[in-house]
Amino acid sequence: GQQLNQSPQSMFIQEGEDVSMNCTSSSIFNTWLWYKQDPGEGPVLLIALYKAGELTSNGRLTAQFGITRKDSFLNISASIPSDVGIYFCAGLPLYKYIFGTGTRLKVLA
Amino acid sequence: DAGVIQSPRHEVTEMGQEVTLRCKPISGHDYLFWYRQTMMRGLELLIYFNNNVPIDDSGMPEDRFSAKMPNASFSTLKIQPSEPRDSAVYFCASNPDRGHAFFGQGTRLTVV
Repeated sequence: GQQLNQSPQSMFIQEGEDVSMNCTSSSIFNTWLWYKQDPGEGPVLLIALYKAGELTSNGRLTAQFGITRKDSFLNISASIPSDVGIYFCAGLPLYKYIFGTGTRLKVLA
Repeated sequence: DAGVIQSPRHEVTEMGQEVTLRCKPISGHDYLFWYRQTMMRGLELLIYFNNNVPIDDSGMPEDRFSAKMPNASFSTLKIQPSEPRDSAVYFCASNPDRGHAFFGQGTRLTVV
């Protein structure tokens, strides 16, 4: 099925560093969502974006809905060990969510 | 609310056997989705329902896969006969008419 291009695929960072990941699509979306999946669990919503240009924060997380409506990015500031996991973007044209390929984050203490 | 509940959490079965995965969505949610997650293909949407009616099953890989939603509080995904390449984590998710998807904890299926 269709997937969004998400980068990077994986990253190792030092605790305290900032992290940035992004998601791009050839299609326009009305909604962008960012999920985090912990090992052995299902994805959990971090941030939802509903308008082009929207910038939303949730604690140390900040996400933006691209102006073109074809991309989004997620930043994590001052990473901590519990930030480890897989981060997925999801685009929502209607109710058929399209998920990114995921960014696997590993934080080195 | 307990969230989306899936059972079993783990399933190991022999090739050729029938496998049934179960899901209880969050009460009041109109949409239910079944996803499959593998390292190679990531999260793939298999099928989704709206008000218990299957809307899009284009992601169902083969006729060996079938899904039902007999009522608003229960759905099943059945694989018959199962094959080793079906090994994956299967997620059920539900969401309200306006809102985002809530995922269950998944069922890890291993077909040997």
